[in-house]
Amino acid sequence: EAQVTQNPRYLITVTGKKLTVTCSQNMNHEYMSWYRQDPGLGLRQIYYSMNVEVTDKGDVPEGYKVSRKEKRNFPLILESPSPNQTSLYFCASSMSGREQPQHFGDGTRLSIL
Amino acid sequence: ILNVEQSPQSLHVQEGDSTNFTCSFPSSNFYALHWYRWETAKSPEALFVMTLNGDEKKKGRISATLNTKEGYSYLYIKGSQPEDSATYLCASDNYGQNFVFGPGTRLSVLP
Repeated sequence: EAQVTQNPRYLITVTGKKLTVTCSQNMNHEYMSWYRQDPGLGLRQIYYSMNVEVTDKGDVPEGYKVSRKEKRNFPLILESPSPNQTSLYFCASSMSGREQPQHFGDGTRLSIL
Repeated sequence: ILNVEQSPQSLHVQEGDSTNFTCSFPSSNFYALHWYRWETAKSPEALFVMTLNGDEKKKGRISATLNTKEGYSYLYIKGSQPEDSATYLCASDNYGQNFVFGPGTRLSVLP
């Protein structure tokens, strides 16, 4: 089954404790992206990757890191999480990123205390 | 950062009603306009991607039109059903800018 898989689905952690949210897709997609969803705001892009070893900042990259060492994986790293990073996070992928629809993972709800 | 707007913010209709909502986006350096449907407790699901001025796409009872010169897109739902209840998101892809989503229109279809 074609899918985008995020882990964990839920996480409660404390300020300053490094965490990684994994994202994996099995569709051989070139484009992958991370978004955060906050109440009253639309999905905001954190980082995206057009292909392996190519990553770019979205609109809200501060406090996040990403890597794209393999085509299928695009982990989101919070080196020193803070409470303002409490949010619902989505990973998405598409064939080429521009004219192609994005396929979303099920979301990861992070709470940083 | 691009400004993508959607109206109305929320909408309640009766089953069987037809409805439509609007997405406004910057027309300069336009590349593509995406529509997604997002049901509660699920992830967004792609409906349409449109690139050409005057483009019209249809999927069952849902259709969308695109005006790239004036920067707007309409999403239409004909004969709304309770299962159409969801938040409908549009997103604009413009050259030189990041992919930007609007805040969404929340549709509730009452049986």
